[in-house]
Amino acid sequence: KAGVTQTPRYLIKTRGQQVTLSCSPISGHRSVSWYQQTPGQGLQFLFEYFSETQRNKGNFPGRFSGRQFSNSRSEMNVSTLELGDSALYLCASREGLAGSTDTQYFGPGTRLTVL
Amino acid sequence: EDQVTQSPEALRLQEGESSSLNCSYTVSGLRGLFWYRQDPGKGPEFLFTLYSAGEEKEKERLKATLTKKESFLHITAPKPEDSATYLCAGRGGSNYKLTFGKGTLLTVNP
Repeated sequence: KAGVTQTPRYLIKTRGQQVTLSCSPISGHRSVSWYQQTPGQGLQFLFEYFSETQRNKGNFPGRFSGRQFSNSRSEMNVSTLELGDSALYLCASREGLAGSTDTQYFGPGTRLTVL
Repeated sequence: EDQVTQSPEALRLQEGESSSLNCSYTVSGLRGLFWYRQDPGKGPEFLFTLYSAGEEKEKERLKATLTKKESFLHITAPKPEDSATYLCAGRGGSNYKLTFGKGTLLTVNP
C-alpha cells in the first residue's frame, strides 16, 4: 500500500499571502489529522477530520482551516501568513472511527517558509 | 490538560552503549501510548503502541514498556543508524486527541 502523500513538499511564501496544502491518506483510511512542527514547540495538533467532518481541533487561530473530501483526501489552508507560520506541516492518517486507538501514520510533510 | 514530557532532550551514546529514553505522561483516560522515530526533514515513522501498564513490545534493538505514569524506550547495543529523534505521544481525553512530547534527539557515535 502506498503511504500518506503530501504536496507540495516545499513552499516559500511571503507575509500576508495564503497557502493550501494537500494530503492523500493511505487507501482505506478515513481519518486525517494535521500537525505543525517547529523546533521550539514540537508537534502541535491542528485538527482531525473524519468523513468530511472536523472531529477535533487544536489551539490555533482561525487563519488555519481545513477540509476533507469524500475520497478522504484533505487540504489545509493558512490565510494571512505570518513569519511564525514557518514550519513543517505534517498530515497523518488512520483507519477507524474517531475515538478508536488505531495507529496514525505520517506523511513526509510540507516545509513552509514564510519570508 | 494532557501533557507528555520526554527526557532527556538529547542523548549521545557510543555504539553498543545501551540506554533508555523516558516519557512521562498525564493523559486522562489513556487509550494508547505511541512511540515514533523521526529522521531530519522526514515525517515520524511509527514504532510501537502500548495500551496497558505492564505491556512490553520489541523490535530489533528497541523495547518499549509502559507503567501507569511513564513509558520507556530501551535501546540495546545501538548502532549509528539508530540516530534520530524519538517521539512519544498519548491518546486520551474526552476527544481522544493525540498529545506529543517534544522528543529525544539520540546520537549514536561509531
